[in-house]
Amino acid sequence: EAGVVQSPRYKIIEKKQPVAFWCNPISGHNTLYWYRQNLGQGPELLIRYENEEAVDDSQLPKDRFSAERLKGVDSTLKIQPAELGDSAVYLCASSLASSTDTQYFGPGTRLTVL
Amino acid sequence: GDSVTQMEGPVTLSEEACLTINCTYTATGYPSLFWYVQYPGEGLQLLLKATKADDKGSNKGFEATYRKETTSFHLEKGSVQVSDSAVYFCALSDPVGGGADGLTFGKGTHLIIQP
Repeated sequence: EAGVVQSPRYKIIEKKQPVAFWCNPISGHNTLYWYRQNLGQGPELLIRYENEEAVDDSQLPKDRFSAERLKGVDSTLKIQPAELGDSAVYLCASSLASSTDTQYFGPGTRLTVL
Repeated sequence: GDSVTQMEGPVTLSEEACLTINCTYTATGYPSLFWYVQYPGEGLQLLLKATKADDKGSNKGFEATYRKETTSFHLEKGSVQVSDSAVYFCALSDPVGGGADGLTFGKGTHLIIQP
């Protein structure tokens, strides 16, 4: 069974440029998460989807970050415009439902903003 | 809010040594507890979990017991191998307590096993 797929694996951009990350969850997983992991830190939740609905986006910086999950499968996380402080690894995870279900993580996208 | 505190690294041990990585938590509700591992160049993988007090999670020779009285979930292994070198993250999920329904992670502990 394929795991969570993310692309690109690495992205280098200049500040003020837009950037987008893509995630394909494990087949049949209704819940999708986006996390941000700063260097030397644990991941921090940005947004959670139940099917196509964003049910928790309280940690998403809405002035420059946006996300969507059309048709309740793939998801895209966008930053526009990017700032130096956005350099981090962006992780996508999925689970069958929510709460105590195990979350499975993708390999992440390492973003460097110059 | 919820939080997880785990011992600072790096932790350097010789092969076959005993391992303990301390993890304590603060939560409003009744969380589930997890250990995730990140091997060099790879993504986060679930190592083990426990969903209620006194449960013991185990996998690949690692164990952790959910201790509600001490709010702890320490990771242990009796004899470590070089292949155990990785970053270990303690995490909790506490949706009933009103936290975001995602995982709250500790900062991670880098484990280095020398031959």
